[in-house]
Amino acid sequence: DAGVIQSPRHEVTEMGQEVTLRCKPISGHNSLFWYRQTMMRGLELLIYFNNNVPIDDSGMPEDRFSAKMPNASFSTLKIQPSEPRDSAVYFCASSLDNQAYGYTFGSGTRLTVV
Amino acid sequence: SQQGEEDPQALSIQEGENATMNCSYKTSINNLQWYRQNSGRGLVHLILIRSNEREKHSGRLRVTLDTSKKSSSLLITASRAADTASYFCATVHNQAGTALIFGKGTTLSVSS
Repeated sequence: DAGVIQSPRHEVTEMGQEVTLRCKPISGHNSLFWYRQTMMRGLELLIYFNNNVPIDDSGMPEDRFSAKMPNASFSTLKIQPSEPRDSAVYFCASSLDNQAYGYTFGSGTRLTVV
Repeated sequence: SQQGEEDPQALSIQEGENATMNCSYKTSINNLQWYRQNSGRGLVHLILIRSNEREKHSGRLRVTLDTSKKSSSLLITASRAADTASYFCATVHNQAGTALIFGKGTTLSVSS
């Protein structure tokens, strides 16, 4: 298995633009997670899905952020409109479930909003 | 909000020495996990210890868990330059429907 695949690896966009981050989890994993990492706030859980259903989105900063998981092999995190404070590394991870197993992380998307 | 807090924030040692990192957490947990992150990379799962376990080993890694003190430690024995990375503890609340919450990590530097 190729692991968790995220795209793009790097994204530079102008303030106000829409940004879409993509994630392909490991086949057979039932849980998918989006995290954001910054120096100031560390790793923050944004949202996670079990069996394609959003379970906890309390970490999503505001309405500008949305996430979808239309099927078991694909998820997106969208920011519209983007702001400079959204600059961070966004990680996707997957696991057999949300509690009892370790998570496998993707390589992340480094987002810079100018 | 962070559930786990690692200590120290940074640690510098020589190759061959042991490195010990500590983690404290606040609420009842289902399990505690340790992850490594090399610079510019994603996190890699190292070890999971369940709330009813007290110690676990994996190669040069030894993890302990003291639920009465709400703390854990990660020991890396005979460290190597390749162990240079950030190490994070993460916990899952003992409550259905929750996911891993990470601490801010310990940055380990191993010099040769």
